[in-house]
Amino acid sequence: AQSVTQLGSHVSVSEGALVLLRCNYSSSVPPYLFWYVQYPNQGLQLLLKYTTGATLVKGINGFEAEFKKSETSFHLTKPSAHMSDAAEYFCAVSGTAGNQFYFGTGTSLTVIP
Amino acid sequence: GAVVSQHPSWVICKSGTSVKIECRSLDFQATTMFWYRQFPKQSLMLMATSNEGSKATYEQGVEKDKFLINHASLTLSTLTVTSAHPEDSSFYICSARETGPKGYTFGSGTRLTVV
Repeated sequence: AQSVTQLGSHVSVSEGALVLLRCNYSSSVPPYLFWYVQYPNQGLQLLLKYTTGATLVKGINGFEAEFKKSETSFHLTKPSAHMSDAAEYFCAVSGTAGNQFYFGTGTSLTVIP
Repeated sequence: GAVVSQHPSWVICKSGTSVKIECRSLDFQATTMFWYRQFPKQSLMLMATSNEGSKATYEQGVEKDKFLINHASLTLSTLTVTSAHPEDSSFYICSARETGPKGYTFGSGTRLTVV
């Protein structure tokens, strides 16, 4: 079974500061890991994903995440926050079979001018 | 890239009526589609997995007779909320999975308000 834990339901950063959103997972099989962003009243947009290969994954809008198997983590980072980054962020995990997809509870990112 | 179109984006209906939400994969075939429900400020909860040509698999606690899912073709899945009640008001999102580890593409969601 898979599950995802996102530490911190709300994160506030100043514009230009580092963004760090935490995600830990549990999985009995090698996982696929994803980060999605959701703007109000919209669907989810894929930021990045890890399936196999390089553990540091670069995504859109300057975001990146590193898969650390030993820590069962897949934290999302961005060196410099922009006002447009304010949104809800979801970490998700699926097994390699891709039959199910589990979301974390989400982290709301606020960017302070 | 893969695109999933969800329609309508918002709907208001009277209590007791039924509402159909469509989810289409525009540029790929999706043998499996998923329906989620999202309450305000909460995460997405998987309601059911829709498989083309077969019955949907519902998550525990989801009423299959209330939330009817049809996946008649490789590009279309529909969710019908039957005899809607105000507590069914929510944001419903579908997603489709491409073949291989390409992840899941999500629709833009449907805001359902039952009055």
